[in-house]
Amino acid sequence: KAGVTQTPRYLIKTRGQQVTLSCSPISGHRSVSWYQQTPGQGLQFLFEYFSETQRNKGNFPGRFSGRQFSNSRSEMNVSTLELGDSALYLCASREPTEVNEKLFFGSGTQLSVL
Amino acid sequence: EDQVTQSPEALRLQEGESSSLNCSYTVSGLRGLFWYRQDPGKGPEFLFTLYSAGEEKEKERLKATLTKKESFLHITAPKPEDSATYLCAVQANQAGTALIFGKGTTLSVSS
Repeated sequence: KAGVTQTPRYLIKTRGQQVTLSCSPISGHRSVSWYQQTPGQGLQFLFEYFSETQRNKGNFPGRFSGRQFSNSRSEMNVSTLELGDSALYLCASREPTEVNEKLFFGSGTQLSVL
Repeated sequence: EDQVTQSPEALRLQEGESSSLNCSYTVSGLRGLFWYRQDPGKGPEFLFTLYSAGEEKEKERLKATLTKKESFLHITAPKPEDSATYLCAVQANQAGTALIFGKGTTLSVSS
């Protein structure tokens, strides 16, 4: 099976712009989670989608949003970018019947905000 | 507040020199504790899940243990290919499916 695929791999934006990141989960996985990774804060949970519905949301401002499509692919959007949004954004998927089990992570999208 | 603290931040070992990484956690109710390995430029890769105090799991040179307040990742006779950042995460009752990660321990093994 192919792993979790995230595009693009690298992205450079300027303050005030918006950005959309894409994630294709492992085939058969209906749950997709997003995490932000920075050197100072480590990995922080953004949100999780399951069957096109947001199941859980972390403590991030409303500028961060996401959605999931019927084929389980997911996108996250960040509007009005700030310098502090520079980070590695990781997407992860998991088996549909497993709540407590392992996440499979993609390689991430490295976002730089100038 | 649910919290995960890993120590040390960085660890340098000689090949064959065994050691342990620590993960201390404070959660309202533990549903599971996870260990991941992250190589530079890649996403975290799952290693272990532990559910209750006293549980142990092994994989090659790695062994994870769990108590009511902390978890250890023991590395026996490490090799250079074990060099990576090791991340600990917990799933708490009040956090639903979200994982709360520690900041990781970066391990360097030299030959």
